[in-house]
Amino acid sequence: KQEVTQIPAALSVPEGENLVLNCSFTDSAIYNLQWFRQDPGKGLTSLLLIQSSQREQTSGRLNASLDKSSGRSTLYIAASQPGDSATYLCAVSADDYKLSFGAGTTVTVRA
Amino acid sequence: GAGVSQTPSNKVTEKGKYVELRCDPISGHTALYWYRQSLGQGPEFLIYFQGTGAADDSGLPNDRFFAVRPEGSVSTLKIQRTERGDSAVYLCASSSFGPTGELFFGEGSRLTVL
Repeated sequence: KQEVTQIPAALSVPEGENLVLNCSFTDSAIYNLQWFRQDPGKGLTSLLLIQSSQREQTSGRLNASLDKSSGRSTLYIAASQPGDSATYLCAVSADDYKLSFGAGTTVTVRA
Repeated sequence: GAGVSQTPSNKVTEKGKYVELRCDPISGHTALYWYRQSLGQGPEFLIYFQGTGAADDSGLPNDRFFAVRPEGSVSTLKIQRTERGDSAVYLCASSSFGPTGELFFGEGSRLTVL
């Protein structure tokens, strides 16, 4: 069974600092990996989707890397803003449709 | 519609009652998923539809849970004889490219069983 772990569980940084969020998974035979953002009481918004053949994806201030062989992904958020405060979830698709999620990292950016 | 719509947004029921949760996916999306999210946890897979058929229902916790998608669009998740442990947020998602495409989630239906 695929296990996804996100460390740290919570993170608080001052505005302007770069954020580094880590995700690890136990089964490297994945189809893709997605990073989601979840605001309190809301659904999930997809941030970045990395196919298994890719090493990274970028969107604006966000960059996600994927190292399949070591079972790791990292989400970088540059120059954090208070609006970046949310829970960030990592999910892997191990059998081509079923996502296995981590428990998330809750980020607080202090103004 | 513009996004995935779920109703009701909140449902409070008593133990033993029957509950239906509805999901209206993005128009044209053939793949539809139900997930369940407990407090402080990531979502857990329940069921996946491709068109009208349930391609994988292995995540449904027991036979009190059932889901349908009769016309390949709207889906209903049905829970019989609800228990307090069923309390969670039930999330629906849809995708246009089938299994490996980007998922779009609704805001969820929060179920509280008293």
